[in-house]
Amino acid sequence: KAGVTQTPRYLIKTRGQQVTLSCSPISGHRSVSWYQQTPGQGLQFLFEYFSETQRNKGNFPGRFSGRQFSNSRSEMNVSTLELGDSALYLCASSRGTTTTEQYFGPGTRLTVT
Amino acid sequence: DQQVKQNSPSLSVQEGRISILNCDYTNSMFDYFLWYKKYPAEGPTFLISISSIKDKNEDGRFTVFLNKSAKHLSLHIVPSQPGDSAVYFCAASGSGGGADGLTFGKGTHLIIQP
Repeated sequence: KAGVTQTPRYLIKTRGQQVTLSCSPISGHRSVSWYQQTPGQGLQFLFEYFSETQRNKGNFPGRFSGRQFSNSRSEMNVSTLELGDSALYLCASSRGTTTTEQYFGPGTRLTVT
Repeated sequence: DQQVKQNSPSLSVQEGRISILNCDYTNSMFDYFLWYKKYPAEGPTFLISISSIKDKNEDGRFTVFLNKSAKHLSLHIVPSQPGDSAVYFCAASGSGGGADGLTFGKGTHLIIQP
C-alpha cells in the first residue's frame, strides 16, 4: 500500500508571498492532519480534516488554512509568508476513527527568505 | 506551556544494551499515548502506542510503560541496535487515538554506539 505523499518536497519563497502544499493520504484514510516542525518548537499541530470538514485546529494564525477534497487529498495554504514560517510541514493520515495511529508523509521543507 | 515533555534532548547507549526514553505530560485529559521514530529527511514513523486503561504494551523489542499517577511514560528498547539511532518523539491525544491532533514532545535523539 502506498504511503502518504507530499508535494513539493522543497520550496523557497519570499516574505509576503503565499504558498500551497499538497498531501495525498494512504488509500482508505479519511483523516488528514497537518503539523509544523521547527527546531525551537518541535512538532506542532496545525489542523485536521475529515470528510472535507475541518474537525480540529491548533493555535496558529489565520494565515494558515487548509482544505480537503472528496478524494481525501488535502492542501495547506500559508498567506503573507513570514521568515518564521520556515519549517518542515508534515502531513499525516489516519482512518479517522478513535484509537488509530497517524501515518506521516516525508514533509515539505519550506524556506522563506 | 509544554504539555508533553521529553527532558533528555539526547541519549547515548551501547549496542545490545537497553535504551530507556522518558516522557512526562501535564494534561490529565490525555488518554492515548504514542511513540514515533524519525530519521533525517523523513516523516515520523509510528512505533507503538498505549491507551490509558493499560500500564504496559509490548511489541517485539519495544515496550511502553505508562504510570498515570506520575503522568509519566517510557519507551524501552531491548536490545538496542544501530538502526535504532534516530529521534524519538512522544505524543499524546485527548480523544482516545489519532483522530484529533497529537501533542508532541520535542524529541530525544538516541545514538546507539557499536
